[in-house]
Amino acid sequence: NAGVTQTPKFQVLKTGQSMTLQCAQDMNHNSMYWYRQDPGMGLRLIYYSASEGTTDKGEVPNGYNVSRLNKREFSLRLESAAPSQTSVYFCASSEAVLRANYGYTFGSGTRLTVV
Amino acid sequence: AQSVTQLGSHVSVSEGALVLLRCNYSSSVPPYLFWYVQYPNQGLQLLLKYTTGATLVKGINGFEAEFKKSETSFHLTKPSAHMSDAAEYFCAVSLTGANNLFFGTGTRLTVIP
Repeated sequence: NAGVTQTPKFQVLKTGQSMTLQCAQDMNHNSMYWYRQDPGMGLRLIYYSASEGTTDKGEVPNGYNVSRLNKREFSLRLESAAPSQTSVYFCASSEAVLRANYGYTFGSGTRLTVV
Repeated sequence: AQSVTQLGSHVSVSEGALVLLRCNYSSSVPPYLFWYVQYPNQGLQLLLKYTTGATLVKGINGFEAEFKKSETSFHLTKPSAHMSDAAEYFCAVSLTGANNLFFGTGTRLTVIP
């Protein structure tokens, strides 16, 4: 089925460990996004990529890095995980930044716990 | 700057009753407005969106929303709640040329049999 695929679905890390969250879309969308979802805070943008080869910080970028590997793939890396990064992470894609009216397609999320 | 306020983090309705989820936005220019639904352990799905034109927007699953510029509101309604409507609902706003959607904090809808 067409859409946004995230891996892994669940992950437990120890404080200080690193990991990469993977995201791939098969809709030929130009723009991709990483959000985190925390109770009572809605979704907050971590990083986004308007097009292949570009990335920009969102609202809460500290402690994260991203890579737009190609048009399909956009990964999120935690270099040294902290308990404050315990969250549910969502990847999303859209046709183009300047056409945000199209809305986003979301992946099913990665539930990350840092102990 | 734009922002979204969802009034009521939890709403409970009886099966068959009217569903009303409130959303107010602040924006210096006319925004694009969205409602998303999130079922347990799933990602967000687009319910409906307002960009331009008709202010009453119909979405999936019998939901609709009306853009009221004078009230800066975009409330979500459904005439008759179904058990399958139980989920979390997010209102979001963006501007033409904006880099991302700004989400409200969500409203969890419970449907009582």
